[in-house]
Amino acid sequence: GDSVTQMEGPVTLSEEAFLTINCTYTATGYPSLFWYVQYPGEGLQLLLKATKADDKGSNKGFEATYRKETTSFHLEKGSVQVSDSAVYFCALSESSNYKLTFGKGTLLTVNP
Amino acid sequence: DAGVTQSPTHLIKTRGQQVTLRCSPKSGHDTVSWYQQALGQGPQFIFQYYEEEERQRGNFPDRFSGHQFPNYSSELNVNALLLGDSALYLCASLDPRQGQVSGYTFGSGTRLTVV
Repeated sequence: GDSVTQMEGPVTLSEEAFLTINCTYTATGYPSLFWYVQYPGEGLQLLLKATKADDKGSNKGFEATYRKETTSFHLEKGSVQVSDSAVYFCALSESSNYKLTFGKGTLLTVNP
Repeated sequence: DAGVTQSPTHLIKTRGQQVTLRCSPKSGHDTVSWYQQALGQGPQFIFQYYEEEERQRGNFPDRFSGHQFPNYSSELNVNALLLGDSALYLCASLDPRQGQVSGYTFGSGTRLTVV
């Protein structure tokens, strides 16, 4: 079945540091890929998405590229801010069904 | 424009009891999915409702059931509660004009604690 594997957290960075959160996936078809963010006490918010190979999703300075050859969708940001502190979830959705399959999440803490 | 609204926000129940959680989707969204998020884990798909019918179900026992109303709102019912049912329950809705590749809109969730 489908699965998503994210790098283990927590990740602690200083403000303006570079961020990478690794995500790899297993799927039977050609899924759409997503990054969701969850701030403390809140639900999930869609951060960015990519629907086919080599697509780059971007939003709020975050980027991720759909790499079919390595089945990866790593999240990057060049300069993190304290306000980026949250839990980040990588997820996939296959066109053949209607569910999102999530990774376990990565807690990011950015210190001033 | 209100997003996805869930109620209640917090709930404490005793083992063996039954609970009903409610969800109002974002305006214009006709599809509702429910997810269970245990502490420190990613959300797990419970089921999805469309046109008042369960369209797809995840690996959850029959104690978990749901309903969708003509106004697209939805309920999640859990019978015979177990301690392991303690979790954040998330509702997500989908814009039918964009489909699932656009991404779901999530509510803030209901925190259920079973004691």
